[in-house]
Amino acid sequence: NAGVTQTPKFRVLKTGQSMTLLCAQDMNHEYMYWYRQDPGMGLRLIHYSVGEGTTAKGEVPDGYNVSRLKKQNFLLGLESAAPSQTSVYFCASSLVRGYAQYFGPGTRLTVT
Amino acid sequence: TQLLEQSPQFLSIQEGENLTVYCNSSSVFSSLQWYRQEPGEGPVLLVTVVTGGEVKKLKRLTFQFGDARKDSSLHITAAQPGDTGLYLCAGPDQTGANNLFFGTGTRLTVIP
Repeated sequence: NAGVTQTPKFRVLKTGQSMTLLCAQDMNHEYMYWYRQDPGMGLRLIHYSVGEGTTAKGEVPDGYNVSRLKKQNFLLGLESAAPSQTSVYFCASSLVRGYAQYFGPGTRLTVT
Repeated sequence: TQLLEQSPQFLSIQEGENLTVYCNSSSVFSSLQWYRQEPGEGPVLLVTVVTGGEVKKLKRLTFQFGDARKDSSLHITAAQPGDTGLYLCAGPDQTGANNLFFGTGTRLTVIP
């Protein structure tokens, strides 16, 4: 039982490049989330999903897209990376909305 | 706008000392959660408090939910180096989406 896994763990992009972050969970959770964590800003919700085939915007969605084609996977895409997107990205999942969330180990992204 | 203010922002103490960190809001929450995040890892849930006035203990950690459900505290007795980390409180978003809203955290360092 791996819980929540994220790939890659580190990535460096140049401005304008694109990439996709992959999140996978093996707990059969309906709800999945993407956060970014910046110093002094805490965890901010980018997008979330309440089930397979659904996605919704969170607090800071601009510049990101997501897809949930399979229940266990939640993908976060950056179409044209900007230095402001330098951050640590966390994926999480939960069985019940508003309650315990299980987090992945994070992806550290640097955009130069 | 909901805010979860955590204090202090940073805390550095000697092994064996006691400490208390706080999570305050002007809004009422149906529940509050506490997470601990170690360097390079994702947050891990410690406890959920649901009832006003509730006290929960987890070994040397004592969590309390305020009577009015607007604040919470975490008390650690005889701190150990393994307690080092970022402590985050979180509560359900009151906008109706019921996603979690995180405070900015207290970064604790326990010096051996």
